[in-house]
Amino acid sequence: AQTVTQSQPEMSVQEAETVTLSCTYDTSESDYYLFWYKQPPSRQMILVIRQEAYKQQNATENRFSVNFQKAAKSFSLKISDSQLGDAAMYFCAYLSSNTGKLIFGQGTTLQVKP
Amino acid sequence: KAGVTQTPRYLIKTRGQQVTLSCSPISGHRSVSWYQQTPGQGLQFLFEYFSETQRNKGNFPGRFSGRQFSNSRSEMNVSTLELGDSALYLCASRRQTGGTGELIFGEGSRLTVL
Repeated sequence: AQTVTQSQPEMSVQEAETVTLSCTYDTSESDYYLFWYKQPPSRQMILVIRQEAYKQQNATENRFSVNFQKAAKSFSLKISDSQLGDAAMYFCAYLSSNTGKLIFGQGTTLQVKP
Repeated sequence: KAGVTQTPRYLIKTRGQQVTLSCSPISGHRSVSWYQQTPGQGLQFLFEYFSETQRNKGNFPGRFSGRQFSNSRSEMNVSTLELGDSALYLCASRRQTGGTGELIFGEGSRLTVL
């Protein structure tokens, strides 16, 4: 069975600085998707960024980028120029190609200090 | 473009009652998945429906059930409610099933069981 681990329950960053959230996963599948979702206090889960496992190039969406290390089964999220609105719970998620279900990590609460 | 709509947003029930939650996916999305979010267990997959058929089911008791209609709207039902069923229930939609495509989430239905 696939598992996703986020080892940082809480992180904090100064506004305008850069922060990296860690995520590791375990799978025997070769084809899958990885995602980072953001859940602000208003609670709606918002997709931040996605990465297809077959792509070697790291995904980037504006200030958000990932460092995808397939062999190490690592998928970290880097947030550059952090803004107050980035404060939220961040979830790393794995989409199984066999079952089609998302497997979530435990989440990392990000605090952004002004 | 309308997002994923979940109703009701909040509800309070007592033990032993049953509840029905509704989810309207994004137009053109045929897959609807349900997730339970609790502080202790995190985000857990309940089931996925595609073209009115249940594709996958998570490890939940038979009290949890769902269905999907021809217009892709989905409902989930929880019978004989227990205190432990108190949770945020999230619905997510995407165009296809299987191991591709990102899931777009609704705002959730907050269920409190007294």
